[in-house]
Amino acid sequence: GEDVEQSLFLSVREGDSSVINCTYTDSSSTYLYWYKQEPGAGLQLLTYIFSNMDMKQDQRLTVLLNKKDKHLSLRIADTQTGDSAIYFCAERPGGGFQKLVFGTGTRLLVSP
Amino acid sequence: DTAVSQTPKYLVTQMGNDKSIKCEQNLGHDTMYWYKQDSKKFLKIMFSYNNKELIINETVPNRFSPKSPDKAHLNLHINSLELGDSAVYFCASSRGTSGNNEQFFGPGTRLTVL
Repeated sequence: GEDVEQSLFLSVREGDSSVINCTYTDSSSTYLYWYKQEPGAGLQLLTYIFSNMDMKQDQRLTVLLNKKDKHLSLRIADTQTGDSAIYFCAERPGGGFQKLVFGTGTRLLVSP
Repeated sequence: DTAVSQTPKYLVTQMGNDKSIKCEQNLGHDTMYWYKQDSKKFLKIMFSYNNKELIINETVPNRFSPKSPDKAHLNLHINSLELGDSAVYFCASSRGTSGNNEQFFGPGTRLTVL
């Protein structure tokens, strides 16, 4: 089945690291993604990881993938107030289709 | 230049009406999508078209009818609108259907059914 879960809220102070977690159920997922949605806006792709990788780093962003536990995390280093948004993880299920199955979204609040 | 654009941005209408939302992408992509985001921010795919052909239809009521006149456009027509149709509808596009094809999202259309 396809089910992607995230915790609903995360609150951090500016300058701290944020870690947003995600679990998924489809073991045949090929790609996993992190999207950011700012208030009133569409979704913006932040980064993605192929299922045969366990880590990917992109500037302040670090993605960790534990395929055995079907667990994905996004670490944001030196979190800024501009990082406040909803973060969605998404999986691309196996089967050749391009659809994305999104998680429930984590609302990140960064306080000064 | 906006990569994926949607019109209108806001749509307020009465129950029972028929309405359309339009989407256009200028990225030269072959694949387009409609997603629905409900009031709890849960985002779910509705349809996908590849080269004007329907490839994904996720058990959406048949009051919803997508139409793709060409690769750059994917419109969504909704008949007999219901209160539960109130949501934000996002259009997206990607280069194709294989490998990792980043999906680019439009700004969304907020539909309110009264």
